[in-house]
Amino acid sequence: KAGVTQTPRYLIKTRGQQVTLSCSPISGHRSVSWYQQTPGQGLQFLFEYFSETQRNKGNFPGRFSGRQFSNSRSEMNVSTLELGDSALYLCASSLVQTYGYTFGSGTRLTVV
Amino acid sequence: KQEVTQIPAALSVPEGENLVLNCSFTDSAIYNLQWFRQDPGKGLTSLLLIQSSQREQTSGRLNASLDKSSGRSTLYIAASQPGDSATYLCAARDQGGSEKLVFGKGTKLTVNP
Repeated sequence: KAGVTQTPRYLIKTRGQQVTLSCSPISGHRSVSWYQQTPGQGLQFLFEYFSETQRNKGNFPGRFSGRQFSNSRSEMNVSTLELGDSALYLCASSLVQTYGYTFGSGTRLTVV
Repeated sequence: KQEVTQIPAALSVPEGENLVLNCSFTDSAIYNLQWFRQDPGKGLTSLLLIQSSQREQTSGRLNASLDKSSGRSTLYIAASQPGDSATYLCAARDQGGSEKLVFGKGTKLTVNP
């Protein structure tokens, strides 16, 4: 059974650019969440999608956005990149609330 | 607002030692608590999931307990090995509102041969 797949694995972008990250959840999982991990702040919740609807959003500026498609694949977009957006972005999928999350390997974003 | 704390932040032990990692959370309204392992530069690997109605879960040399009333969970690792060296994270899945995972900052474990 395939796990959660995130692409690309690594990205280097310049300040001011925008970036799109992709996540394919485990087959059958309809809940997809995104987290940002930095050395200083640890793991912070970005947003969660369920059946193409954003259910929850973390405390991040509007430059961070996402969406989920009908096949449950999800993308997140960061516009007008800042140096502080450099982080490991992790995607996770889950079956229902009482099930655990399975995480992907992450996308390492470096903003220069 | 849920807050998760992990103590200690770092731990170094000799191979073969049994050890306990601690996790505390402030709001008992959770669906479950999940323990993860993270190797440097990698994603999260799920180790154990404890539902809110359960007291403990075991997998191999790992045993995790949950005490909702006191807001605590522990991860017990028996007969530690150098391959256990990693950062261990606990995360509580909130029941009210967001249902998101709230993570602790992790415990960095080093097992010395």
